[in-house]
Amino acid sequence: QQQVKQSPQSLIVQKGGISIINCAYENTAFDYFPWYQQFPGKGPALLIAIRPDVSEKKEGRFTISFNKSAKQFSLHIMDSQPGDSATYFCAASMGQGGSEKLVFGKGTKLTVNP
Amino acid sequence: NAGVMQNPRHLVRRRGQEARLRCSPMKGHSHVYWYRQLPEEGLKFMVYLQKENIIDESGMPKERFSAEFPKEGPSILRIQQVVRGDSAAYFCASSSTISGGYTFGSGTRLTVV
Repeated sequence: QQQVKQSPQSLIVQKGGISIINCAYENTAFDYFPWYQQFPGKGPALLIAIRPDVSEKKEGRFTISFNKSAKQFSLHIMDSQPGDSATYFCAASMGQGGSEKLVFGKGTKLTVNP
Repeated sequence: NAGVMQNPRHLVRRRGQEARLRCSPMKGHSHVYWYRQLPEEGLKFMVYLQKENIIDESGMPKERFSAEFPKEGPSILRIQQVVRGDSAAYFCASSSTISGGYTFGSGTRLTVV
């Protein structure tokens, strides 16, 4: 019930293409869904987050789509760039992520070829 | 305003030794979290602390692991009698009750030989 399942495990996209990463959860008590970006040797950095009262949130080239009934959410990276090559983690928590523990997916290693 | 500071960045310990990992939260942040990341895995929650209090330690192994966040000084994650399976990256994050959201440090990579 506490799991967040993430797919695919790895993804290769050409420059300018769209990268799509999917996550699914079981616990309906989750109400905060952030995405983190991690470069090698660095800590995860918050990319974008969504609450279940909206179905989509867009920030620049990054969009989260949220399907509450299916208990799924996804990250779309438009016009993918080589600099986007990193590992992406979805996560979920039962709070705003400010005082509640996060449950992370296992990550997706994105490679954007020039 | 420096971010979350973790040290050391890399730590090598022999089996049976103790490992002490330090985390200084961002200025103004009073909540500290520790996560462990095994190779090719996501981060796993270990413990959530506020100053002088452990709020949630549900992810901490029952033995050999302890954490503290004293009134003064950094938060410490202590691993006694380390074993090879403790080799991982340990990340600290901090937040404030005002802004919410996490800021992660760059982690401590522990290698047990």
